[in-house]
Amino acid sequence: NAGVTQTPKFQVLKTGQSMTLQCAQDMNHEYMSWYRQDPGMGLRLIHYSVGAGITDQGEVPNGYNVSRSTTEDFPLRLLSAAPSQTSVYFCASSSGTGGKYEQYFGPGTRLTVT
Amino acid sequence: AQSVTQLGSHVSVSEGALVLLRCNYSSSVPPYLFWYVQYPNQGLQLLLKYTTGATLVKGINGFEAEFKKSETSFHLTKPSAHMSDAAEYFCAVSGTGANNLFFGTGTRLTVIP
Repeated sequence: NAGVTQTPKFQVLKTGQSMTLQCAQDMNHEYMSWYRQDPGMGLRLIHYSVGAGITDQGEVPNGYNVSRSTTEDFPLRLLSAAPSQTSVYFCASSSGTGGKYEQYFGPGTRLTVT
Repeated sequence: AQSVTQLGSHVSVSEGALVLLRCNYSSSVPPYLFWYVQYPNQGLQLLLKYTTGATLVKGINGFEAEFKKSETSFHLTKPSAHMSDAAEYFCAVSGTGANNLFFGTGTRLTVIP
């Protein structure tokens, strides 16, 4: 199994540009999520999904959109990038719901918005 | 609501010394508690977790943590630090109703030879 994969690894955007961060998992996990990591702030939840067709907002959803059309994929869209979205983005998945299940993290995407 | 406080953003220990990383949590429901480790330029990897049962939890790489409900703590320890333990460590909490993790701000561990 490849686990959780993310593309691209690095990206530089200009303010106002849009892009999609890709996330895929091959473990047939129901739960998937996106976090952003900023220095001194730990990881904060952006959006999550408990299954195909079901998404919800996390702690810091503004400026991001998600969709979940398949179990495997959970892309994160930035509609109009802002410098405040400069961060490292992690996708994660989990085999079950209910809080006790381990989350498996991807390697991350480092995004810089100028 | 859940939250996590990690005391000490940077901890330095000598190789072979005890490692102690502190984590206190707040939760309105019985918590599930996790420690994750992040090596440079990598994703997060689970070290150990507490869900129910025994309050002393053993994880990978010789780490363990003890859930103390009365102190709302879940401190991470390792008896003897190794150079390969140098990394950033995150404590996280989730509730019984959802998978969403609430992370502390992290503690960067440096091991001095």
